[in-house]
Amino acid sequence: SQQGEEDPQALSIQEGENATMNCSYKTSINNLQWYRQNSGRGLVHLILIRSNEREKHSGRLRVTLDTSKKSSSLLITASRAADTASYFCATAGAAGNKLTFGGGTRVLVKP
Amino acid sequence: GAGVSQSPSNKVTEKGKDVELRCDPISGHTALYWYRQSLGQGLEFLIYFQGNSAPDKSGLPSDRFSAERTGGSVSTLTIQRTQQEDSAVYLCASSFGIDEQYFGPGTRLTVT
Repeated sequence: SQQGEEDPQALSIQEGENATMNCSYKTSINNLQWYRQNSGRGLVHLILIRSNEREKHSGRLRVTLDTSKKSSSLLITASRAADTASYFCATAGAAGNKLTFGGGTRVLVKP
Repeated sequence: GAGVSQSPSNKVTEKGKDVELRCDPISGHTALYWYRQSLGQGLEFLIYFQGNSAPDKSGLPSDRFSAERTGGSVSTLTIQRTQQEDSAVYLCASSFGIDEQYFGPGTRLTVT
């Protein structure tokens, strides 16, 4: 079963705009990770945020984590056509090993 | 360095046959994971190996599924008597410790 709910399920934006997607989860976590998937195959790790962190940046990516609300957001700034992909949040439990994935957000960046 | 590799990339099999899927993790990574991704169920955890510890098999959907990891490196996921609902993309990942997991390209299994 999936721990996370992601919204929106799909997002269509113009190149240069920002894209924001949200993830909610149900149980305590060790960390939360965001992945990107192109064409339904391998997942690419984007960023990991630990349960004691509130915000993290990596290039054009910004992730926030609110453990009191059990939610996280991923912001992609100045989007590019190459950012078109599905984005998944995944939580690691107390043992920090197996990941439980959300349903994903499909992002389309139009040139 | 080399990433996680999986073989085959695609596998078509007849219902009832057994299949073996292979995963070569990143060298030096102590943990190895199998997940599967299907339209109906999304991304699901199957099994996790960490060093010499007993694997966490809590995600395996039935006793037709098994996996082993030889020599702390290569892993094989075996599905016996395949069913149509086993059709999915099977993803392998490895990690050093409990941080970022690095995924392979997956094996697309189609059971006809």
